[in-house]
Amino acid sequence: KQEVTQIPAALSVPEGENLVLNCSFTDSAIYNLQWFRQDPGKGLTSLLLIQSSQREQTSGRLNASLDKSSGRSTLYIAASQPGDSATYLCAVRPAAAGNKLTFGGGTRVLVKP
Amino acid sequence: SAVISQKPSRDICQRGTSLTIQCQVDSQVTMMFWYRQQPGQSLTLIATANQGSEATYESGFVIDKFPISRPNLTFSTLTVSNMSPEDSSIYLCSVGTGGADTQYFGPGTRLTVL
Repeated sequence: KQEVTQIPAALSVPEGENLVLNCSFTDSAIYNLQWFRQDPGKGLTSLLLIQSSQREQTSGRLNASLDKSSGRSTLYIAASQPGDSATYLCAVRPAAAGNKLTFGGGTRVLVKP
Repeated sequence: SAVISQKPSRDICQRGTSLTIQCQVDSQVTMMFWYRQQPGQSLTLIATANQGSEATYESGFVIDKFPISRPNLTFSTLTVSNMSPEDSSIYLCSVGTGGADTQYFGPGTRLTVL
């Protein structure tokens, strides 16, 4: 059974610092890995999708890497801003059929002005 | 990308009653899912909503408690039946188009059961 872990559970940084969020998964047989952002009481916004054959994806200040063999992904957010404060979730889709996602517990980020 | 709307956005309900949540997508999608997010927790898949047939439920979730309908490729409903305070959660609809595509989520329905 796939298990997804995110460390740390919470992170507080001053504005301008780079953020590093970690995600690990136990079963390397994945189809893809997706990073989401969730604001309090809201739904999920997709940030980046990394296919199993890819090593990284970039969008603006966001960069996500994937090391499938070691079961790890890292989300980097450069030059953090207060608007980046949110919970960040990673989710893996198994190589088996379907789009079912297994989520990590999330990292709650606070960027202080 | 898919634009997903959910109704209601939030509700406060009494114990023992039922609530039906609607999910509408702006385009036809292959896969529709329902997730639950309990307070302070991550997301857990309830079921896959299958168009024209019974939903596929995950371990720990049953049809009598969470009946699901999916009459077409753009719409689904989730009913939370005979509610108790433990059902207080955010319920999220999600869609995927098959293959290796991004999965998209609706804004969620925040349910509080008194």
